[in-house]
Amino acid sequence: DVHLVESGGDLVQPGGSLRLSCAASGFTFSSYAMTWVRQAPGGGLEWVSTISNNGRNTHYADSVKGRFAISRDNSKNTVFLQMNSLRAEDTALYYCAKRHDSGWYYSEYWGQGTVVTVSS
Amino acid sequence: QSALTQPPSVSGSPGQSVTISCTGTSIDVGYYNRVSWYQQPPGTAPKLMIYEVTNRPSGVPDRFSGSKSGNTASLTISGLQAEDEADYYCSSYRSDDTVLFGGGTKLTVL
Repeated sequence: DVHLVESGGDLVQPGGSLRLSCAASGFTFSSYAMTWVRQAPGGGLEWVSTISNNGRNTHYADSVKGRFAISRDNSKNTVFLQMNSLRAEDTALYYCAKRHDSGWYYSEYWGQGTVVTVSS
Repeated sequence: QSALTQPPSVSGSPGQSVTISCTGTSIDVGYYNRVSWYQQPPGTAPKLMIYEVTNRPSGVPDRFSGSKSGNTASLTISGLQAEDEADYYCSSYRSDDTVLFGGGTKLTVL
């Protein structure tokens, strides 16, 4: 079974940094693009970033471009999200997701998320 | 990046059908057949229900169907069941290599 476990969420001050991790199991990790999606408290889903299977291609939402960086370590079956210059509006539950075979823009399997709170 | 437009809420009685619309633009929903729908019951992670406008992943009941006309995609749930009560989100690929989500629609089964 596919299993995704996010970690690294925390309370951080505005302007601070945080690194999220997502440990994957149950599939050939190096064959699949991976995505981060976030959900603000009481809000809807917002796509954040996607990384290709080999890490060479990355995509970002305008709201995080230049502040967030996605990366992966295929030897450890883990994808990361480095978040810098954090703002109050980055407060959310951050999900990691595995792409569907039909396209990287579809998220087939999701983790349970990790909470990021940006507040002074 | 503006979100795709969905109605905030829809409702229906058990056994009835409901349709949720999702309106985008000519550079996302209207141009690409890369529309998907996700179901999110309260307190749980989203679940992929429809991809490529009309396709259902394995295990999704055929009561769920998708369609598209112009810049608007739709999700129809027929034979409503109590377990269908959830938030539903549409999503589309966009020409600038990004992904948009709709604002979400809360489905209430009366």
